[in-house]
Amino acid sequence: DVKVTQSSRYLVKRTGEKVFLECVQDMDHENMFWYRQDPGLGLRLIYFSYDVKMKEKGDIPEGYSVSREKKERFSLILESASTNQTSMYLCASRQAGQTFGETQYFGPGTRLLVL
Amino acid sequence: DQQVKQNSPSLSVQEGRISILNCDYTNSMFDYFLWYKKYPAEGPTFLISISSIKDKNEDGRFTVFLNKSAKHLSLHIVPSQPGDSAVYFCAASGGGSNYKLTFGKGTLLTVNP
Repeated sequence: DVKVTQSSRYLVKRTGEKVFLECVQDMDHENMFWYRQDPGLGLRLIYFSYDVKMKEKGDIPEGYSVSREKKERFSLILESASTNQTSMYLCASRQAGQTFGETQYFGPGTRLLVL
Repeated sequence: DQQVKQNSPSLSVQEGRISILNCDYTNSMFDYFLWYKKYPAEGPTFLISISSIKDKNEDGRFTVFLNKSAKHLSLHIVPSQPGDSAVYFCAASGGGSNYKLTFGKGTLLTVNP
């Protein structure tokens, strides 16, 4: 079974703080993703990484950056947290090279509150 | 521009009856479609998928139907159980990207005992 873990389930931060969200997967997947989920907006892709040290912007990258130094770990960084970044953050991973099957495996999520 | 649309924010059904969740898409390049289920405070879990070369895929109580000409897919749950109560997300891939999934906004299904 694929296991995707996220470093925190709940986080409370202050406006302007630098925030690190960590994600680790144990299935040697090449592709990793960061989403945020907001009521009425569904899941929106922030950034993804198709391999180590590779990254691409998703649909809403503003205010975020990422780091992928090791295959199993993908970090999301909020450079200067703002209240509109209060959200549920979800990490996912996927094995590359599938003809079909964009199945992504998700972690449990980090609920971030920015005060 | 919303490429995957779930127009019903919520759906309520009685236990034992059929639940039908609908999804429409606009990008004709999408070639693979998935349904995810999400409970509160948990990550989404993969439920069932279908490729564009099929029009139906079945897994136990769950069946997904794809109508390519209408750019429409639906998820049928028969019989519905209270444990099926969750948010269901429709997602699609293709359209030039091998990596990205485009998600709908989700439908909250409530199955009443």
